[in-house]
Amino acid sequence: GAVVSQHPSWVICKSGTSVKIECRSLDFQATTMFWYRQFPKQSLMLMATSNEGSKATYEQGVEKDKFLINHASLTLSTLTVTSAHPEDSSFYICSADKDRGGQPQHFGDGTRLSIL
Amino acid sequence: GENVEQHPSTLSVQEGDSAVIKCTYSDSASNYFPWYKQELGKRPQLIIDIRSNVGEKKDQRIAVTLNKTAKHFSLHITETQPEDSAVYFCAASKGAAGNKLTFGGGTRVLVKP
Repeated sequence: GAVVSQHPSWVICKSGTSVKIECRSLDFQATTMFWYRQFPKQSLMLMATSNEGSKATYEQGVEKDKFLINHASLTLSTLTVTSAHPEDSSFYICSADKDRGGQPQHFGDGTRLSIL
Repeated sequence: GENVEQHPSTLSVQEGDSAVIKCTYSDSASNYFPWYKQELGKRPQLIIDIRSNVGEKKDQRIAVTLNKTAKHFSLHITETQPEDSAVYFCAASKGAAGNKLTFGGGTRVLVKP
């Protein structure tokens, strides 16, 4: 159990395009989901914490108007990269808490985003 | 906020030898410390975790130790195998649901046959 599905796995698009990434918890309800960004040969950096039914909490330095997060249900959170530019190219990974009151987080397979 | 430092950044070992990765954290309120293994282009996979009420935990060839006073924790891999080659990340959090993980910088481990 505790499967997190992320879609799409790979996106290539032109500069200026908006891209939506979906993160679904398949066999559990996730009140909280997390969005990370990972540049090549670097660590995972938390972008925002997504809470079902409320606004996301963004980390310092992450533009909330550029990275739109929606968590409309207990099994789905979406990240939309608006007007993407080449510097937004990265590996985006979501994770979800399965159990209220405890870890661990369960990660999706990630989305490799390439902006031309 | 929490800050997690991880060392070394790269580690090369001979097959069969042991590998040790060390992490330090800054927030004394952190009480959950997972270790993840990540292969190229894939998701991080949880390999072992420890909570602050435990000093050591072992799972076959993998063990983690925690020193709360010194605020550091370590991953030990014994009898390394080529398939242990990957990037390993330590992390820390306050452990409750909705509490974010802060990751260390990662250690690239290469096990030479």
